[in-house]
Amino acid sequence: AQTVTQSQPEMSVQEAETVTLSCTYDTSESDYYLFWYKQPPSRQMILVIRQEAYKQQNATENRFSVNFQKAAKSFSLKISDSQLGDAAMYFCAYRSVGFGNEKLTFGTGTRLTIIP
Amino acid sequence: DAGITQSPRHKVTETGTPVTLRCHQTENHRYMYWYRQDPGHGLRLIHYSYGVKDTDKGEVSDGYSVSRSKTEDFLLTLESATSSQTSVYFCAISESTAEGYTEAFFGQGTRLTVV
Repeated sequence: AQTVTQSQPEMSVQEAETVTLSCTYDTSESDYYLFWYKQPPSRQMILVIRQEAYKQQNATENRFSVNFQKAAKSFSLKISDSQLGDAAMYFCAYRSVGFGNEKLTFGTGTRLTIIP
Repeated sequence: DAGITQSPRHKVTETGTPVTLRCHQTENHRYMYWYRQDPGHGLRLIHYSYGVKDTDKGEVSDGYSVSRSKTEDFLLTLESATSSQTSVYFCAISESTAEGYTEAFFGQGTRLTVV
């Protein structure tokens, strides 16, 4: 079974600075998807960024980018120019793609605090 | 926003009673998931479905059952509620397309308290 590990339960960063959240996963599959989700206090789950394993290029969405290291099974999220609205729980997730095995597995989350 | 609705949004129930949570989607997505969220544990998969009447267990399926008799509805049943099942429950949906899989879209969550 796939596992996702987020080793930083809490992180903090000064407003306008850059922060990196770490995520590692364990799998024997060669094809899969990885996601970062954000959960603000409203409890709503919001997609931040996604990465297909077959793509070598790291995904980028505005101030959010990932460092995808397939061999190391690492998928970190970098947030540049941090803003107060970035404060939230961040979850890393892994999605299998085999038929009948399309589980979506989450890590335990990292709570990000933005310091004004 | 994806058309996904969970009901009820809040529920308090007594230990030993059965409880059913409903997830309803209007997106015609194939895949549906039930998670529970607890502090320190993130989101843990209870059950998921990859088609009508096709379901499989997740990592914390004991004490839970599911049914999917039609595409739009995925029901989660706590057969005999216990205090350890007090949690926030999330439903999610996703689809496969020619370009690959979509991300998961989540419902608003259901806060269940077992007393």
